[in-house]
Formats: sequence, C-alpha cells, structure tokens
Amino acid sequence: NAGVIQTPRHKVTGKGQEATLWCEPISGHSAVFWYRQTIVQGLEFLTYFRNQAPIDDSGMPKERFSAQMPNQSHSTLKIQSTQPQDSAVYLCASSTDRPRDTQYFGPGTRLLVL
Amino acid sequence: GEQVEQLPSSLIVQEGASVLINCSYTDSASVYFPWYKQEPGKRLQFIIDIRSNMERKQTQRLTLLFDKKTKHLSLHITATQPGDSAIYFCSASIGMGYKLTFGTGTSLLVDP
Repeated sequence: NAGVIQTPRHKVTGKGQEATLWCEPISGHSAVFWYRQTIVQGLEFLTYFRNQAPIDDSGMPKERFSAQMPNQSHSTLKIQSTQPQDSAVYLCASSTDRPRDTQYFGPGTRLLVL
Repeated sequence: GEQVEQLPSSLIVQEGASVLINCSYTDSASVYFPWYKQEPGKRLQFIIDIRSNMERKQTQRLTLLFDKKTKHLSLHITATQPGDSAIYFCSASIGMGYKLTFGTGTSLLVDP
C-alpha cells in the first residue's frame, strides 16, 4: 500500500505561471483534503471533498486557487498566476467517510515560485 | 474560527527521558483531537487521537490526556528514543466537520 500519492514532489514555477498539483487518495477512501504548510503560517486547511463533491473550501484563497475531484481516484489543486507567497508544501490527505476517521497524509508537493 | 496552540515550541532531551507537550484549543465544539508526527523529509504520520467523551488514551509509550473543561490536552512520551525526534502536531476537528485545525508544532530532539 503506497498510501496517498502526490505528484510532482517538487515544482518550480516562474511568477505568473500556472501550477497543477495531483493527489491520488488511498483506494476506498471517499474523503480527500488539501492543506498547505509553510514556516510562517504552519499547517492550514484549504479544501475538501467527500464522494467527489466539494464540501468545504473555506481555506482556499478566493482568487487563483481551484480544486477538483473528477473521479474517486484523483484530485487536483490548480493555482493560476502563481505568486512568490504561494510557495509552500501542499499536502493531500484522505480518509474513509466515517466522521472523525483518521486522515492519512501524502508526502506533499513542494512548490517554489520564483 | 478554531485556534490551536502548542507549547513548548521546541524540546531537547537525553535519550530515555520523558517529555510533555501541551496543546490548547478555543472552540468548545471541537470533539476530535488527532496528533501527528513529522520526521524530517517524511510525511505527517498519525500517532494517537482522543475524542471529547474520553479523558485519557494510552498506546505504547504515548499517553494523551484531555480536559474538556479547560480545553487542554497533553501528550506524554516516555522512554524517548532518537527515533522520536520529529515535529509533533496537535489538531482539532469541530463538530461533525472533517477539516483539521493544527497547532503550531513542537520540535523534539532526542540526543542519544
């Protein structure tokens, strides 16, 4: 069991470019979460899906960030017109649909915007 | 919204010592508190959790205490080993919502 898979592991983009981050949840898990980790802000919730439907995007910056879950085997986080302040490690986690079930995290995608 | 704080921010101990990590939260509606460990270069790893209807949970060398009245948790790690060196995160989940609010983390270094 490879656990949650995230690709790419590292991404470097120029300011203003678009970045797409991919997440493959653990097979059978129906809830997928996105978090962002920085030294300054720590671990911050961005958005999550349950059974592919968006449930809560309260942590997403309203402009430039979007997330989708087109099927049960992957989710994407897209950042348009990237800015240096978007540099962070983006973490994906998945869990079963049971309330308060353990979230299992992927290794993260380290995004650097130059 | 919910805020979670952890103290201390860092700890250095000798192998075999015990450590205590404190965590406090603000929203009385929080009902689920998982803790994670993050070793350098590795993914967040779940280590222990507790629900608001419990006061204590223990697994191997970890003991997690929960005080609903004071909104406070404490993680006790006994007989520390160099492999325990990591950043430890407390988190909280409010009501039936699934998202986690994380604390600021406690960096633990265990010297052999």
